[in-house]
Amino acid sequence: EAGVAQSPRYKIIEKRQSVAFWCNPISGHATLYWYQQILGQGPKLLIQFQNNGVVDDSQLPKDRFSAERLKGVDSTLKIQPAKLEDSAVYLCASSVTGDDYEQYFGPGTRLTVT
Amino acid sequence: AQSVSQHNHHVILSEAASLELGCNYSYGGTVNLFWYVQYPGQHLQLLLKYFSGDPLVKGIKGFEAEFIKSKFSFNLRKPSVQWSDTAEYFCAVNGYGGRRALTFGSGTRLQVQP
Repeated sequence: EAGVAQSPRYKIIEKRQSVAFWCNPISGHATLYWYQQILGQGPKLLIQFQNNGVVDDSQLPKDRFSAERLKGVDSTLKIQPAKLEDSAVYLCASSVTGDDYEQYFGPGTRLTVT
Repeated sequence: AQSVSQHNHHVILSEAASLELGCNYSYGGTVNLFWYVQYPGQHLQLLLKYFSGDPLVKGIKGFEAEFIKSKFSFNLRKPSVQWSDTAEYFCAVNGYGGRRALTFGSGTRLQVQP
């Protein structure tokens, strides 16, 4: 079974620039999550999708971050404009709907904002 | 709001030593509990999980964890560590039946010396 795919793996941008990350979840997984992991901390949820609808985006900085999941499969996360404090690893995870709550994580995108 | 505390930030052990990593959580309802591991250069993967039933849970690679409801704890243990256990370990929790997004602790970096 193929895992969660993410691209790019690394990205370096200057502050005030924009950037986009892409995620392809495991086939058949209805729920998709984006987490932000700052160095030295655990992952923190940014947004959760169920199919193509948003379930929870309470911790998403909506003035600069946006995310979409068209057709309930792939998802993109965008930052515009980036700030220095956005330097982090952005993790995508997916899970099936139902009693199995296990989330499967992708390799992440390491973003450096200079 | 949910929160997870991991007491040890960095643990150094010799091979064959026993391991116990502490995890405490706060949440008002029924929870699911997880330990994830991140080996160097790899993505987060599930080590073990507790949903219900026997509070002593066995995971992969000889790890186990015990859920003690009265102490809001879910400590990770392994009787004899190996050099290959060098990794970062994250405790996580989500609320049963509702929001499935995980709340993570800050992680414990385990270094096993040969």
